[in-house]
Amino acid sequence: DIQLTQSPSSLSASVGDRVTITCRASQSISSYLNWYQQKPGKAPNLLIYAASSLQGGVPSRFSGTRSGTDFTLTISSLHPEDFATYYCQQSYSSPLTFGQGTKVEIK
Amino acid sequence: EVQLVESGGGLVLPGGSLRLSCEASGITLSSYAMSWVRQAPGKGLEWVSTISNGGTGTDYADAVKGRFTISRDNSKNTLALQMNSLRTEDTAVYYCAKDWKGGIAVAGTRFDLWGQGILVTVSS
Repeated sequence: DIQLTQSPSSLSASVGDRVTITCRASQSISSYLNWYQQKPGKAPNLLIYAASSLQGGVPSRFSGTRSGTDFTLTISSLHPEDFATYYCQQSYSSPLTFGQGTKVEIK
Repeated sequence: EVQLVESGGGLVLPGGSLRLSCEASGITLSSYAMSWVRQAPGKGLEWVSTISNGGTGTDYADAVKGRFTISRDNSKNTLALQMNSLRTEDTAVYYCAKDWKGGIAVAGTRFDLWGQGILVTVSS
């Protein structure tokens, strides 16, 4: 199975901060990497697909990049509604796997 | 409004069975592959199973293979998950999730619509 390791597991940030979350795959997954946002008690919401494509309706402050097996989700300027947990997910091979999550908290 | 709504969850004894359903409104599911993804209390997301748009292709996580069966009824716009031989470690919120494409192939799968989730508790 392909393992996805997210870092950090949690972070504290302020409104307006630039936030970066990393997801490292245990092997090459090409660009088959998606990012989701999940708020407490709610279902996940797709933000980025294929490493860097913005899902329709998602604000442009969210962006994704790939460098080899390292993937990055960046929030350019944190808004109050962005405090949530973020997950990466690979769709290169079965079984589909998710990272363990990164919780973004208010400083 | 486009939405997926799960039902059928609840409390069940270890070794018991439960059947989850997912009903779609505002969207026709027959064009899309569908999946179940679960989340144990306080834990991360775990993929459970996927079915192709026509229902002929299925895939399961090793943890549920042989115990869970995914199915769909495109005429009723619904998805189901039959869960047998339930274990305490199956306790989780179960989400149905829509893929953007129809086939069973994993490559490029992304979940662009999710249900609100339904809690399944396996406990004596």
